[in-house]
Amino acid sequence: AQKVTQAQTEISVVEKEDVTLDCVYETRDTTYYLFWYKQPPSGELVFLIRRNSFDEQNEISGRYSWNFQKSTSSFNFTITASQVVDSAVYFCALSEALSPKTSYDKVIFGPGTSLSVIP
Amino acid sequence: NAGVTQTPKFRVLKTGQSMTLLCAQDMNHEYMYWYRQDPGMGLRLIHYSVGEGTTAKGEVPDGYNVSRLKKQNFLLGLESAAPSQTSVYFCASSTPGLAGGTDEQYFGPGTRLTVT
Repeated sequence: AQKVTQAQTEISVVEKEDVTLDCVYETRDTTYYLFWYKQPPSGELVFLIRRNSFDEQNEISGRYSWNFQKSTSSFNFTITASQVVDSAVYFCALSEALSPKTSYDKVIFGPGTSLSVIP
Repeated sequence: NAGVTQTPKFRVLKTGQSMTLLCAQDMNHEYMYWYRQDPGMGLRLIHYSVGEGTTAKGEVPDGYNVSRLKKQNFLLGLESAAPSQTSVYFCASSTPGLAGGTDEQYFGPGTRLTVT
């Protein structure tokens, strides 16, 4: 069955520190998508990144980087030199891609990690 | 291009009252979803739709009904509201993934519902 675990419920860091948010997933499929979303205090949900299961390359976008490791079923998210504006709840999510191509399974969200960046 | 919009933004209901939440998207997305978000529970899927005229149950469908008569709209109904349905409701839409599943979801701003 699908499952997404974000073991860190809350994290607090001081501004400019690096922080890594962990995401571990379970899936029965060999083809799937992983996502990270950000929910700032204002409440909206913002898409950050999508990773396909067949692409294990790590990705960097500015201060954000993602480490995808199929061997450990993890998709961790690192913020370098954190800023106060990074304070938010971060959700990891999983979408399986069942066969045939057009079939669909629901997206499963992890419980979220609340990140507080202290000035 | 408004993206995903939700109506209303806030609502207070008394137990037993009914209401409909409206979600509209202008991105021509095939898939649409309704989630609820409660403190400490993350996002839980209520119902979803993979196309006009089709709906399916999610994780927590009891007490809710949905309809998708037009591709751009996805309605969530509460026939007889209960205090347990006090929550923030998010609508989302997405396109199918190239290899199945779904691409990233685009979320509406949310509706804060209180049932007294």
